[in-house]
Amino acid sequence: GIQVEQSPPDLILQEGANSTLRCNFSDSVNNLQWFHQNPWGQLINLFYIPSGTKQNGRLSATTVATERYSLLYISSSQTTDSGVYFCAVEQLKGLGSQGNLIFGKGTKLSVKP
Amino acid sequence: GAGVSQSPSNKVTEKGKDVELRCDPISGHTALYWYRQSLGQGLEFLIYFQGNSAPDKSGLPSDRFSAERTGGSVSTLTIQRTQQEDSAVYLCASSAPYRGYTFGSGTRLTVV
Repeated sequence: GIQVEQSPPDLILQEGANSTLRCNFSDSVNNLQWFHQNPWGQLINLFYIPSGTKQNGRLSATTVATERYSLLYISSSQTTDSGVYFCAVEQLKGLGSQGNLIFGKGTKLSVKP
Repeated sequence: GAGVSQSPSNKVTEKGKDVELRCDPISGHTALYWYRQSLGQGLEFLIYFQGNSAPDKSGLPSDRFSAERTGGSVSTLTIQRTQQEDSAVYLCASSAPYRGYTFGSGTRLTVV
């Protein structure tokens, strides 16, 4: 099955710093999502981004589907950004069809004040 | 509803008992998924339902686990004869085409 690798596994930042998280995947995908799991366990959908670039406030994401990777950028980090960031992909199927997401192991981010 | 609703939020059960976990997806979402997450681990796929198609049960870890989705909406995940290794957070998500997944807050199951 499709493999999803995230790097780095752990990241410690000083508040205000910028960071880039990477997700590599081993096959063509229908869907790619970035999630943030906060310290209380809630999974928040950050981006639905099978290709292209999207921005939402201090966060942006870029997926280069042809090269099978995606990047999540966090600018001016805040302590509330702490948690685990997961990349998840759905293997390529027919248009509009949906299948299960395969999750990477995540990047654990700690932002220090 | 506005989001995916799961109940109960916490469940403590004795080893050997059966448990039922409920998921109420976002109205109009055709697909529904169950995952579980053990402490400090990633998400493990269990089962998913897509419209009226037969569910994909390929992730269920044993025949003690089963799930159904009634009327294309609410889903129930049942674990029979619970074991301590079943302790985890069970997460439900729903999705619509090209919209991505929305997760519920999960049910934390503890088997003692």
